[in-house]
Amino acid sequence: DAGVIQSPRHEVTEMGQEVTLRCKPISGHDYLFWYRQTMMRGLELLIYFNNNVPIDDSGMPEDRFSAKMPNASFSTLKIQPSEPRDSAVYFCASSLFLFPIYGYTFGSGTRLTVV
Amino acid sequence: DQQVKQNSPSLSVQEGRISILNCDYTNSMFDYFLWYKKYPAEGPTFLISISSIKDKNEDGRFTVFLNKSAKHLSLHIVPSQPGDSAVYFCAASAREGGADGLTFGKGTHLIIQP
Repeated sequence: DAGVIQSPRHEVTEMGQEVTLRCKPISGHDYLFWYRQTMMRGLELLIYFNNNVPIDDSGMPEDRFSAKMPNASFSTLKIQPSEPRDSAVYFCASSLFLFPIYGYTFGSGTRLTVV
Repeated sequence: DQQVKQNSPSLSVQEGRISILNCDYTNSMFDYFLWYKKYPAEGPTFLISISSIKDKNEDGRFTVFLNKSAKHLSLHIVPSQPGDSAVYFCAASAREGGADGLTFGKGTHLIIQP
């Protein structure tokens, strides 16, 4: 397996524009997580899915953020409209189980810069 | 409020010596702890874990110690090698009645000096 695949690797956009981040989890993993990494807050969980269904979105910062998982092999995180404070590295991770007995497998991340 | 705290943003250690990275947690429901390693421009990768029923887990050069009464864990790397230079994240999880998934600290940047 190629691991968790995220695209794009880098995204630079202007404030007010819509941004869509993409993730392909490891085949067979039932759980998919979106994390955001910033200097101030470290790695924080935004939302996670189980079998394509959103389970906990309490970490999503505002209504400007939305996430979908239309099928088992694809998820998107959308920010509309984007703001400079959204600049961060966004990671997608997947796992067989919610309890991380083997840890979660992370993608390489998308570095988002909003100017 | 941070439930997992790594109070040292960075740590510099000479090659061949021991590196000790520390982590504290506040949520008493946490019962499983992990360390992740992250290189620049890559995602975090799982390094080692420990269950709350143990106080030590060893894997090669890496050992994690857990002190439940102090709500403290540490990662020891012996001997430290240049390839160990990375950001290390402490993470915690709870089987029941706690936060879902993994809760991470802010990370410690370990620099191994030649």
